Amino acid sequence: DSGVTQTPKHLITATGQRVTLRCSPRSGDLSVYWYQQSLDQGLQFLIHYYNGEERAKGNILERFSAQQFPDLHSELNLSSLELGDSALYFCASSVGVANNSPLHFGNGTRLTVT
Amino acid sequence: TQLLEQSPQFLSIQEGENLTVYCNSSSVFSSLQWYRQEPGEGPVLLVTVVTGGEVKKLKRLTFQFGDARKDSSLHITAAQPGDTGLYLCARDSNYQLIWGAGTKLIIKP
Repeated sequence: DSGVTQTPKHLITATGQRVTLRCSPRSGDLSVYWYQQSLDQGLQFLIHYYNGEERAKGNILERFSAQQFPDLHSELNLSSLELGDSALYFCASSVGVANNSPLHFGNGTRLTVT
Repeated sequence: TQLLEQSPQFLSIQEGENLTVYCNSSSVFSSLQWYRQEPGEGPVLLVTVVTGGEVKKLKRLTFQFGDARKDSSLHITAAQPGDTGLYLCARDSNYQLIWGAGTKLIIKP
């Protein structure tokens, strides 16, 4: 158990809809990262928050947004969903922002857009 | 660009065999992390290597960081079905991680 909790585990929705994915980081971790993983592909970095502030953006679409709340949990909002948004979405947390801080991943939310 | 290339992309071998997978970059990096991802789960950190030429062992897994700090390898001795998974390497870059596409490993009983 990594200590990172993601909900829901599975989400099935229709094109054009909006969904919210939730992540609770490991106790004590201030950084939260969001990643997208399509079938049989590697991890695509979306966005990084540290202690409530956005620190870095990766290949995140304008239809996607995220935030980290004062209690350090984070939400990833996906809107105007398209078929191609179907993927596994992972949240990871780490203690700091240093690049050699190990990441602890949740078990992901599997999003299916129909 | 600071891409990480992992090879092979896919490997399927019999239980008991040895194997090596690679992670290469065109530029020097200060540290590299190896993760294993099992089906339906998130990646789990196996090891971090930070010193050129460094070798770390984790039971039957041996990780090596190249002397020039541009490459790393993972060698598995006497592979077991429990080693099946996606092996990912990630390097540091401006306080973020750049990820390779992974090696999908299947160990057949």
